[in-house]
Amino acid sequence: NAGVTQTPKFQVLKTGQSMTLQCAQDMNHEYMSWYRQDPGMGLRLIHYSVGAGITDQGEVPNGYNVSRSTTEDFPLRLLSAAPSQTSVYFCASRTGTFLQADTQYFGPGTRLTVL
Amino acid sequence: AQSVTQLGSHVSVSEGALVLLRCNYSSSVPPYLFWYVQYPNQGLQLLLKYTTGATLVKGINGFEAEFKKSETSFHLTKPSAHMSDAAEYFCAVSDRGSGNQFYFGTGTSLTVIP
Repeated sequence: NAGVTQTPKFQVLKTGQSMTLQCAQDMNHEYMSWYRQDPGMGLRLIHYSVGAGITDQGEVPNGYNVSRSTTEDFPLRLLSAAPSQTSVYFCASRTGTFLQADTQYFGPGTRLTVL
Repeated sequence: AQSVTQLGSHVSVSEGALVLLRCNYSSSVPPYLFWYVQYPNQGLQLLLKYTTGATLVKGINGFEAEFKKSETSFHLTKPSAHMSDAAEYFCAVSDRGSGNQFYFGTGTSLTVIP
């Protein structure tokens, strides 16, 4: 049971480049989410999904796209990277869509730098 | 939208001293409340959570937190700090209604002085 895995661990992009951050979980969790962590700002929700084929926006969705074709995977796409997207990105998952108090499990993070 | 306030971005305590990390939330309806810990270069790990019932919640590693509705607070405490407690601590909330959006505080960095 690997939990929540994220790849890559580190990435450097040039402004305007695109890339996909990968997230996978093997716990059969319905709910998955992406956060970005910036100094002095805590974690902010980018997008979340309550099941395959269902996604919704969080607090800071601009510049990011997501899709959920399987229960296990929830990739985050940056279509045209900007320096303001330099951050540490965390993926998380939890059981159930209506059990809001269930524990969220976090991945180890992806540190992204946009030059 | 919810807001979560953590007073003190940096807290230093001596080893063996009381740890007190403060968290206040903004909503009039009590949300679900969480405390997470983040060690350097790692993801977040749940320490404890409050959903309903007893307002004093015990978590892992000797931490506990008390929900006080009248003060809209959920402060985290540990009677005796250990060197291994040095980390970043985040308070978080989610609405009882929708539940799909989590709001985190800005974090408190705890330093334990030997």
